[in-house]
Amino acid sequence: GAVVSQHPSRVICKSGTSVKIECRSLDFQATTMFWYRQFPKQSLMLMATSNEGSKATYEQGVEKDKFLINHASLTLSTLTVTSAHPEDSSFYICSARGLRVVGTEAFFGQGTRLTVV
Amino acid sequence: GQQLNQSPQSMFIQEGEDVSMNCTSSSIFNTWLWYKQDPGEGPVLLIALYKAGELTSNGRLTAQFGITRKDSFLNISASIPSDVGIYFCAGQLQEGQNFVFGPGTRLSVLP
Repeated sequence: GAVVSQHPSRVICKSGTSVKIECRSLDFQATTMFWYRQFPKQSLMLMATSNEGSKATYEQGVEKDKFLINHASLTLSTLTVTSAHPEDSSFYICSARGLRVVGTEAFFGQGTRLTVV
Repeated sequence: GQQLNQSPQSMFIQEGEDVSMNCTSSSIFNTWLWYKQDPGEGPVLLIALYKAGELTSNGRLTAQFGITRKDSFLNISASIPSDVGIYFCAGQLQEGQNFVFGPGTRLSVLP
């Protein structure tokens, strides 16, 4: 299957600072990338969808000024959590989707555990 | 928005037993995906289904795209300890649309 790499896997930051998370598709061109948030023992909550070169589309209730998404190339998308607060602590996961001959399944990165102290 | 239901929510089984879980919706989907998530990791794609009635295997895993297109099933045969994790189904209503994820089935395998 296709490989999606997410970095860092864990990050601890102070309240009020910003954190950037990278998501890279290593062996395919990702026309679309997705960012999810996952709380303990819960399912994936889609935050936003980004297409290369376009502004991200945010889901209802997700603050676009707080969660900045950039998808500047077909292999890289970044999520920046600005002015992080303890309630932003969570597991953030990206996934990437490229055009395939059959199907458009998405492949996930390893996730980033963000802890805001 | 569209919702997927997964059953059971959680299950405890003995090593060696077979496992069945399903994913249902009130809407018709054109694609079903099954993922497994280990603790602290991102989900890993197990099986993708694209046609109603399709039955696809991946090792000890078998998944089926329901005839009504409103459900999908995942079976695991002869479970082993490394099968422990959360299994998510995801459905796509139409080509190009985002996938909707179910709440997951948490599987525990007892030695």
